[in-house]
Amino acid sequence: RKEVEQDPGPFNVPEGATVAFNCTYSNSASQSFFWYRQDCRKEPKLLMSVYSSGNEDGRFTAQLNRASQYISLLIRDSKLSDSATYLCAGTNSGYALNFGKGTSLLVTP
Amino acid sequence: NAGVTQTPKFQVLKTGQSMTLQCAQDMNHNSMYWYRQDPGMGLRLIYYSASEGTTDKGEVPNGYNVSRLNKREFSLRLESAAPSQTSVYFCAAGNGRLYEQYFGPGTRLTVT
Repeated sequence: RKEVEQDPGPFNVPEGATVAFNCTYSNSASQSFFWYRQDCRKEPKLLMSVYSSGNEDGRFTAQLNRASQYISLLIRDSKLSDSATYLCAGTNSGYALNFGKGTSLLVTP
Repeated sequence: NAGVTQTPKFQVLKTGQSMTLQCAQDMNHNSMYWYRQDPGMGLRLIYYSASEGTTDKGEVPNGYNVSRLNKREFSLRLESAAPSQTSVYFCAAGNGRLYEQYFGPGTRLTVT
C-alpha cells in the first residue's frame, strides 16, 4: 500500500466548474504536503505547499486535515488550461517526498 | 536561471549497456533526488542526496548507482541496463528544510 493515495480519476468537468481532489496519507509523521501539476510528457511543477492547515493561491485552495490524514485541492472557476494530472506528496525522512500516483483532470468547453 | 537541467532528453540502450544520466541545478539547493516514473506506478524515488557528500537509497535503488559530484551535480548510473529500467527519469533539487522539490525536464530511457 502506497503511503500517499489518490483517486486516479479522470475527473471531467465543464469550464467554470469547481472541482476538488482528495489525497490520503498513512504516515502520521509527515509534516508538510505538496500539490504538483504535471502536464502530459512534462515534469511535475510545484503548485502549492501546505505546511499548516491550508493554503490559498488565487483559484486554488489546499486544505490539510491531520486528524483524518487527508489533503484536498479545490480548483474554482476551472479553465481549459487546468487540464493536467495533479500529484499529491507528503514528506518522508531525509527530505524525501512520497508521491501519490496522481489524479487526472480534464476541463471541457 | 535554468533551474534543474538533465541530459540526455532521450536515450535508447540495448540490454547490458551502461550509461550515466546527468543532472545539474543552479538553484543552490542542498538536496537532490532521482525518481523514475512509470505508467500506473507514479513517481518512485531511486536515490537521493540530502547534502553534498551524502547519498541514500530510496524505494527502488536496485540496478542504479549515484554520484553527488558537487553541490550542483548529481548523476545516476545504470551499470547493466535491463528492459525493466525503461522509464522516464526525473531529477529534482530540494530546498531542504522546506522540503519543496523542483524537477528537471526528464530523460526518456528505452532499454531493448
